[in-house]
Amino acid sequence: DTAVSQTPKYLVTQMGNDKSIKCEQNLGHDTMYWYKQDSKKFLKIMFSYNNKELIINETVPNRFSPKSPDKAHLNLHINSLELGDSAVYFCASSQVIGWKHFGDGTRLTVT
Amino acid sequence: GQQLNQSPQSMFIQEGEDVSMNCTSSSIFNTWLWYKQDPGEGPVLLIALYKAGELTSNGRLTAQFGITRKDSFLNISASIPSDVGIYFCAGHQVNQGGKLIFGQGTELSVKP
Repeated sequence: DTAVSQTPKYLVTQMGNDKSIKCEQNLGHDTMYWYKQDSKKFLKIMFSYNNKELIINETVPNRFSPKSPDKAHLNLHINSLELGDSAVYFCASSQVIGWKHFGDGTRLTVT
Repeated sequence: GQQLNQSPQSMFIQEGEDVSMNCTSSSIFNTWLWYKQDPGEGPVLLIALYKAGELTSNGRLTAQFGITRKDSFLNISASIPSDVGIYFCAGHQVNQGGKLIFGQGTELSVKP
């Protein structure tokens, strides 16, 4: 059973489009995250939700809007996609500080 | 933004060799973590360190939380081909809501 699952795994779209990435965890964790990994493999946190409440918002353009309908789901909607948004986006969840379980990532390519 | 300095950036070694990589920071962290990322997958936690000076092993992997709380190292002994991947250090500070700061990664290649 997959612990943290993200869909889609690959997303290719044109500049200016709006797209969403979905994430679900079946670990019963209270906290979920979105991380962005750039072309140099650098991982940076974008958002964190605890029990559906936003607790971290790391200077991300407001074209990016996370939504947590319940504590097992954290979706990421991106408006007006730009070339620089191309990256791998990882969802993660945790209960204890540090023990993050990551999904397998969504590779977003904006053309 | 804040970063951890991880080195080396890449390593090419022969199967059976030992590997060492480290992370340093100008800031204090209260938790140090080491992750491994295989191609096309998300990072997987290898070792978590919670106390300054702590030395923890996980099979052939050993990691230490530096005494100053500003650094950590990871050793892999007797490397095997499946050790190939990118290794990341990550640190957590108090009152940061679970936010991890990641190092730049060490890409390990193992020649059989």
